[in-house]
Amino acid sequence: GAVVSQHPSRVICKSGTSVKIECRSLDFQATTMFWYRQFPKQSLMLMATSNEGSKATYEQGVEKDKFLINHASLTLSTLTVTSAHPEDSSFYICSASQGWSGFEQYFGPGTRLTVT
Amino acid sequence: ELKVEQNPLFLSMQEGKNYTIYCNYSTTSDRLYWYRQDPGKSLESLFVLLSNGAVKQEGRLMASLDTKARLSTLHITAAVHDLSATYFCAVDINAGNMLTFGGGTRLMVKP
Repeated sequence: GAVVSQHPSRVICKSGTSVKIECRSLDFQATTMFWYRQFPKQSLMLMATSNEGSKATYEQGVEKDKFLINHASLTLSTLTVTSAHPEDSSFYICSASQGWSGFEQYFGPGTRLTVT
Repeated sequence: ELKVEQNPLFLSMQEGKNYTIYCNYSTTSDRLYWYRQDPGKSLESLFVLLSNGAVKQEGRLMASLDTKARLSTLHITAAVHDLSATYFCAVDINAGNMLTFGGGTRLMVKP
């Protein structure tokens, strides 16, 4: 149980284009989903938190107009990187939990984004 | 601001040896997690520690939590090569589901 999937697992895009990453909870309803970014040999940094049907809450320093997050249903959240630049190349990991307080996060397999 | 510090950041050890990874955090926390990450992969949950004095063991790994000292340890017993990975601790304050990760400990176990 508690499986989270991400699609695509790898994506290469050209600078200036946009790319969408999907995060799905496969066997539970995810009230809250989280998006993290991880640069090589670094830790995970929380980008934003989204609750189903609400606007995402972004961490300080994360541009909300560049990283668009939509949590349209209890099983799906999407992260769209708009006008991507090479510095956006990173490993993006989502997680999902069944509630806001006291629930464990279950992590997706990650998406490797390379912007050329 | 919650700070989570792990040490060491890099650990090279021989098979069969024991060692401990430390995770210190700066604010009262309700729960602490340990994760394993293999190269190019996402996180694998190892342990969830929910109370002071909690100790959990799985195979050659044992995790403990001292909330008074704001310290968690991950002890490795008789290391084997398959344990080579990066280990992260993450702290959740006030059961608010917001995880703050430590910097990670890259473990390399040599034959």
